[in-house]
Amino acid sequence: DAGITQSPRHKVTETGTPVTLRCHQTENHRYMYWYRQDPGHGLRLIHYSYGVKDTDKGEVSDGYSVSRSKTEDFLLTLESATSSQTSVYFCAISEDIAGGRNTQYFGPGTRLTVL
Amino acid sequence: AQTVTQSQPEMSVQEAETVTLSCTYDTSESDYYLFWYKQPPSRQMILVIRQEAYKQQNATENRFSVNFQKAAKSFSLKISDSQLGDAAMYFCAYIRNAGNMLTFGGGTRLMVKP
Repeated sequence: DAGITQSPRHKVTETGTPVTLRCHQTENHRYMYWYRQDPGHGLRLIHYSYGVKDTDKGEVSDGYSVSRSKTEDFLLTLESATSSQTSVYFCAISEDIAGGRNTQYFGPGTRLTVL
Repeated sequence: AQTVTQSQPEMSVQEAETVTLSCTYDTSESDYYLFWYKQPPSRQMILVIRQEAYKQQNATENRFSVNFQKAAKSFSLKISDSQLGDAAMYFCAYIRNAGNMLTFGGGTRLMVKP
């Protein structure tokens, strides 16, 4: 299994509060991703990173920001959480090698509930 | 935009039997990758199998194999000798070569009957 951890694994928060989720990898992979999964759906990309301090938006980036100050850590921040951001959040990583770039390995997920 | 469709919300199979999960996709790209991920009740997304579009040979991983029909844009997963531990949600996913975003289908829930 890829060495990916996410913290916290579960969080309950209130509307309007800031929330930060952490993804940590021990694989030294260049690419890191944040997805969200909602009931009955597959995963949708929020943001991704292609190196330290290099990030870009995904499909559903509104209301989220990210930061990557070290290769191993990728943070997802909800500046002011809303109930629509209640979801399961997954981090993923992929290598910077031919073909390997395209294969993403996922962390265990974080269940976030915004009341 | 790419889309991935899994037309079977639920499937069931008897233990030790074979089951096939369907997936179709739409893309204008010629170079891409397709995946099947398994999500058991633990919620972990586990890579089951990967297919490169430029390869004509169907991928196989132990009891899991795919039937990749590029012209028809079809990518089905066959599970042989089904086991109780195979019970899970299965997601088909697509990514263009050197892309960043996996596009997922809606998933198929597989139940395995003892």
